[in-house]
Amino acid sequence: DAKTTQPPSMDCAEGRAANLPCNHSTISGNEYVYWYRQIHSQGPQYIIHGLKNNETNEMASLIITEDRKSSTLILPHATLRDTAVYYCIVRVGDTGFQKLVFGTGTRLLVSP
Amino acid sequence: EPEVTQTPSHQVTQMGQEVILRCVPISNHLYFYWYRQILGQKVEFLVSFYNNEISEKSEIFDDQFSVERPDGSNFTLKIRSTKLEDSAMYFCASSNGQGNSPLHFGNGTRLTVT
Repeated sequence: DAKTTQPPSMDCAEGRAANLPCNHSTISGNEYVYWYRQIHSQGPQYIIHGLKNNETNEMASLIITEDRKSSTLILPHATLRDTAVYYCIVRVGDTGFQKLVFGTGTRLLVSP
Repeated sequence: EPEVTQTPSHQVTQMGQEVILRCVPISNHLYFYWYRQILGQKVEFLVSFYNNEISEKSEIFDDQFSVERPDGSNFTLKIRSTKLEDSAMYFCASSNGQGNSPLHFGNGTRLTVT
């Protein structure tokens, strides 16, 4: 699976959009970009994933560049409860077994 | 929304004792996983399980560890003789294994070995 690079930390004001970048320059054609987050010591929580088109769900939007070498997770109106570590993971979207390799992620701090 | 549940939330045990961590995956999921996270470190893959056998295991998952699906709903991780360095959060996850569907994680069991 391709390696990802994320900034170690980011700050965001409550109510503003949080834009979390991820570089995955060695991504291959059949690899998806997945985003998870971990709030304090809870289990990783799935947020969103995509292949090449932009995706949106009730939690966030995922913008993937045309060359697929980078992506941005957008939390449109960040709240204090969005303070967490955010992980960008790239892996093949095959059927069956789906092992995830977690990096160190981006620690997002949302402040009042 | 269906979720992965883990029990207990916190387990304290003495070094050398056996522990069993329990998980109830999402009901229609077929692939099961254990991960662990030592305090302040990354989330690490331990093992995956499908069709009543291990699909893959990491170097961490040595002979002291075993997994089992004893019935149609539970998935367990057993550590035979715990060591101090086994102290960590242990997360169970499951997936339906279809296409690019994501893993869903439980909230973990904090294992403290004294």
